[in-house]
Amino acid sequence: DTAVSQTPKYLVTQMGNDKSIKCEQNLGHDTMYWYKQDSKKFLKIMFSYNNKELIINETVPNRFSPKSPDKAHLNLHINSLELGDSAVYFCASSQENGGFSGANVLTFGAGSRLTVL
Amino acid sequence: ILNVEQSPQSLHVQEGDSTSFTCSFPSSNFYALHWYRWETAKSPEALFVMTLNGDEKKKGRISATLNTKEGYSYLYIKGSQPEDSATYLCAFMPGLGYNFNKFYFGSGTKLNVKP
Repeated sequence: DTAVSQTPKYLVTQMGNDKSIKCEQNLGHDTMYWYKQDSKKFLKIMFSYNNKELIINETVPNRFSPKSPDKAHLNLHINSLELGDSAVYFCASSQENGGFSGANVLTFGAGSRLTVL
Repeated sequence: ILNVEQSPQSLHVQEGDSTSFTCSFPSSNFYALHWYRWETAKSPEALFVMTLNGDEKKKGRISATLNTKEGYSYLYIKGSQPEDSATYLCAFMPGLGYNFNKFYFGSGTKLNVKP
């Protein structure tokens, strides 16, 4: 019973296409995130939602649009895919802990490897 | 952009060796530091949450220390075992002026323990 599940795990597509990656968590967490693992293996935050409200929106191209229909789901839609979008994208979630967010450990999904040809 | 650096990038040790690696972060605006363990083909999993200067945390053979004044945390593994082979990530959360829940990750230290 996976806590944070992402689909698809692998996605190979052509430049210019539009694709989505879905994420669901069954932990009852309030906050969900999308991270991108860059070419140097760093995990970089893209977006974060808290109870369906966008709270972190990093400098990413506006071709990337997150959507959170409810607090258990955070999907990532990418328009007009480019070669440079090839990466592994990780979804994560965390639970607010009495206002001290520093203690909110992240629970990650298994990652979605996107390859743009 | 905040720099979080981990060293070394990779480490090869023999089973039974003890080892340590470092996470460096900006000391001027500390809020929290997390350590994660990331096995190949799996998701990163939380090891430690560190919030106070001088914190020491321990889980089995793995322990971590925190020095917020000088901006570093050490992760120690005593008597390494092959199952300890993984990438160890640290994630820094700054305080004032930054969004809560925004973690800055290091690139990790990849540990390989040979039997």
